[in-house]
Amino acid sequence: EDQVTQSPEALRLQEGESSSLNCSYTVSGLRGLFWYRQDPGKGPEFLFTLYSAGEEKEKERLKATLTKKESFLHITAPKPEDSATYLCAVLQTSGSRLTFGEGTQLTVNP
Amino acid sequence: KAGVTQTPRYLIKTRGQQVTLSCSPISGHRSVSWYQQTPGQGLQFLFEYFSETQRNKGNFPGRFSGRQFSNSRSEMNVSTLELGDSALYLCASSKGNPTDTQYFGPGTRLTVL
Repeated sequence: EDQVTQSPEALRLQEGESSSLNCSYTVSGLRGLFWYRQDPGKGPEFLFTLYSAGEEKEKERLKATLTKKESFLHITAPKPEDSATYLCAVLQTSGSRLTFGEGTQLTVNP
Repeated sequence: KAGVTQTPRYLIKTRGQQVTLSCSPISGHRSVSWYQQTPGQGLQFLFEYFSETQRNKGNFPGRFSGRQFSNSRSEMNVSTLELGDSALYLCASSKGNPTDTQYFGPGTRLTVL
């Protein structure tokens, strides 16, 4: 059965303090790994898709990387507006369903 | 381009009732997926519809059903509501290829009393 584990569950940073979020996965065959950001009371907002090990994508202060067993979301010099829950999800080889991790709740203090 | 819309945004029902939720996908998107989000279980896949046909189904009881119309709009129905059905119900639309990005709506918050 597909499994996605995110760590840490919660992370508190000071503004400007860089860090990384981890997403470990166990799937029979990975077709894609997705990162989303979710604000309280809202639906997940798409950030990145990674398809193969070694791939990297960047957007503003965020950079996502992918290996054969895990993905990292690096946050450089975060700002308070980066506070949110970050979710990763995997798309297995067969089917079109996403399997989500529990998320990392990020708080950036000014 | 308008995003995914869901109606209603909030619902309060009592046990035993049934409920219908609606989702309008992004224009041009043909696939609609539904997810249930709860604090304990996170986001769990319910089912996916593509071109009016259910293409994929999660591990939920038969009380959860859905359909898709010719304009790609989708509805989800939950019959005989239970307290445990209280959750945020999210729909996501994509162009239709399984590897296409799924874009989520704001969700419908269902409370069962």
